[in-house]
Amino acid sequence: NAGVMQNPRHLVRRRGQEARLRCSPMKGHSHVYWYRQLPEEGLKFMVYLQKENIIDESGMPKERFSAEFPKEGPSILRIQQVVRGDSAAYFCASSPSRKGGTEAFFGQGTRLTVV
Amino acid sequence: SQQGEEDPQALSIQEGENATMNCSYKTSINNLQWYRQNSGRGLVHLILIRSNEREKHSGRLRVTLDTSKKSSSLLITASRAADTASYFCASGANSKLTFGKGITLSVRP
Repeated sequence: NAGVMQNPRHLVRRRGQEARLRCSPMKGHSHVYWYRQLPEEGLKFMVYLQKENIIDESGMPKERFSAEFPKEGPSILRIQQVVRGDSAAYFCASSPSRKGGTEAFFGQGTRLTVV
Repeated sequence: SQQGEEDPQALSIQEGENATMNCSYKTSINNLQWYRQNSGRGLVHLILIRSNEREKHSGRLRVTLDTSKKSSSLLITASRAADTASYFCASGANSKLTFGKGITLSVRP
């Protein structure tokens, strides 16, 4: 059973381009979470999705950021018109249930660099 | 201050010594989890303690939770150089985890 898979591991984009980050949850997990980590910081919650539904997007910037988790395929975090401040590590986690006391499994992250 | 704040921010110990890291949180939680992150890598789940538990052990790890003080501690006994990493506590409530800024642990051989 493969763990949470994120790709690409490293992504370089010029200012104004779009960044697409992909996350395949662990087999059997239908809950996906995206977090952002700035250098020397902890992880900040961005969005929580179940298949085809956004459950909690309270941590998502209001503009340029969007996330989806389609019925088939990986979850996608999309950043439009990237700026230097978007440079960070983006982590995806999955869990089998949203019930309290559920362990979340994290991927290796995608490190986005905006030049 | 933020939910899930750890202290100290950095800790340097000799191999074989014990390392104690503390975490405080603000709001009600369902559980509290500790994660480790090696430099440039993803997070590895270490241990989860539920809000109705007071202490939990896993190998060389011991976690305590005091819900009245909204605090938790992680003890790593007989530390090894390979324990060198950043350690994060994450408080779980409803649908998401709230992380602190982390503690950088250095274990000197």
